[in-house]
Amino acid sequence: QVQLQGSGPGLVKPSETLALTCSVSGGSISRYYWNLIRQSPGKGLEWIGNVYYTGSTKYNPSLKSRVTISVDPSKNQFYLKLTSVTAADTAVYYCARGGMVEAVQVFDIWGQGTLVTVS
Amino acid sequence: EILMTQSPATLSVSPGEKATLSCRASQSVSTNVAWYHQRPGQVPRLLIYGASTRDTGIPARFSGSGSGTEFTFTISSLQAEDFGVYYCQQYNTWPPVFTFGQGTKLEI
Repeated sequence: QVQLQGSGPGLVKPSETLALTCSVSGGSISRYYWNLIRQSPGKGLEWIGNVYYTGSTKYNPSLKSRVTISVDPSKNQFYLKLTSVTAADTAVYYCARGGMVEAVQVFDIWGQGTLVTVS
Repeated sequence: EILMTQSPATLSVSPGEKATLSCRASQSVSTNVAWYHQRPGQVPRLLIYGASTRDTGIPARFSGSGSGTEFTFTISSLQAEDFGVYYCQQYNTWPPVFTFGQGTKLEI
């Protein structure tokens, strides 16, 4: 059974870079799109972007200038970098498996979530 | 960006009763809508995709319907574990920008 585990610092200073690692276990990272979603009290659930095992990415336009998502298939991991963070980026960050078709993304497996506070 | 608006914000229902939740899209999303359930302190769980298809292992008391801009999610006979927040999500845009509704809190 595929599982996702997110890891990263729980506290990031304003203007610095938030970095998160998502590890996939129990299955291959190939064939699916892998997504980053965040949840904050103020903005609810917000899709950040996704990556395919080939390295192809799509980003939410509202965050595109600050977001980089990458993948390392050899480690079964994908990564989020969010630059120039502010208090508005404080949220629980989720790793989530999407679909095998780029335009059809429903999120059937979620990691436990990583609370990131910008302060 | 397609906005998803859910109603009501909060719904109080007794065990055994039926609950009906609504989700409206700001433009047509065909049947490209999913529904999720999130209990406090837990991660969202996929219940429905394609507006009406239950995900693997989801009980038959959960159902979804709709197309275009109007969608309904129904729990036919509420059980205690069904409390929490329900979110709708659309996946109809290209380039992709997947958006969620603000949630309906279901109180038992």
